[in-house]
Amino acid sequence: DQQVKQNSPPLSVQEGRISILNCDYTNSMFDYFLWYKKYPAEGPTFLISISSIKDKNEDGRFTVFLNKSAKHLSLHIVPSQPGDSAVYFCAAGVYGQNFVFGPGTRLSVLP
Amino acid sequence: DSGVTQTPKHLITATGQRVTLRCSPRSGDLSVYWYQQSLDQGLQFLIQYYNGEERAKGNILERFSAQQFPDLHSELNLSSLELGDSALYFCASSVGTSRRPDTQYFGPGTRLTVL
Repeated sequence: DQQVKQNSPPLSVQEGRISILNCDYTNSMFDYFLWYKKYPAEGPTFLISISSIKDKNEDGRFTVFLNKSAKHLSLHIVPSQPGDSAVYFCAAGVYGQNFVFGPGTRLSVLP
Repeated sequence: DSGVTQTPKHLITATGQRVTLRCSPRSGDLSVYWYQQSLDQGLQFLIQYYNGEERAKGNILERFSAQQFPDLHSELNLSSLELGDSALYFCASSVGTSRRPDTQYFGPGTRLTVL
């Protein structure tokens, strides 16, 4: 049973435009969410987090939106840069349990 | 650089063999996590240690075991290796003092190839 889903096919975006990556979860108890970026042959790098008491969190070019009623979160990257080309994982967690990671979405930013 | 180190970077071995992967967490982090990433798959949580004690177990096979030592480094032991064990193995660490999940910082991974 996949508790965290990232069903988007690989995403291609033009440099300077907005990239939107989506993540859906099934467990309504999840109350803390993370986004990671992963380059080939490297470990995932933490990007941004959000707790369930907020619906938006911004850090520079990265913004995460949380819609608790829809059990959906999204990561917006504006403006997208070629260096943002990577696989993006979302992860969801709840008190007393570890994070569950989604399968990842590949983003390509074209110059 | 996340501050988490893993050795070796690459490991090639044969079926039936046993290997040990090593991880040193970030300075000050008490929790260590192990993940497996098979080809084009997501991150599968294997096991977590906190300050030397096992805290949580995920999809870890009985052929696999781990431990965290007093200096907080951790080792993942994989035995009776099968072809399907070929994967990237990541270690992550976090402060981990609370039961609330906190941000994990990942090492560069060990690529295991079983021939």
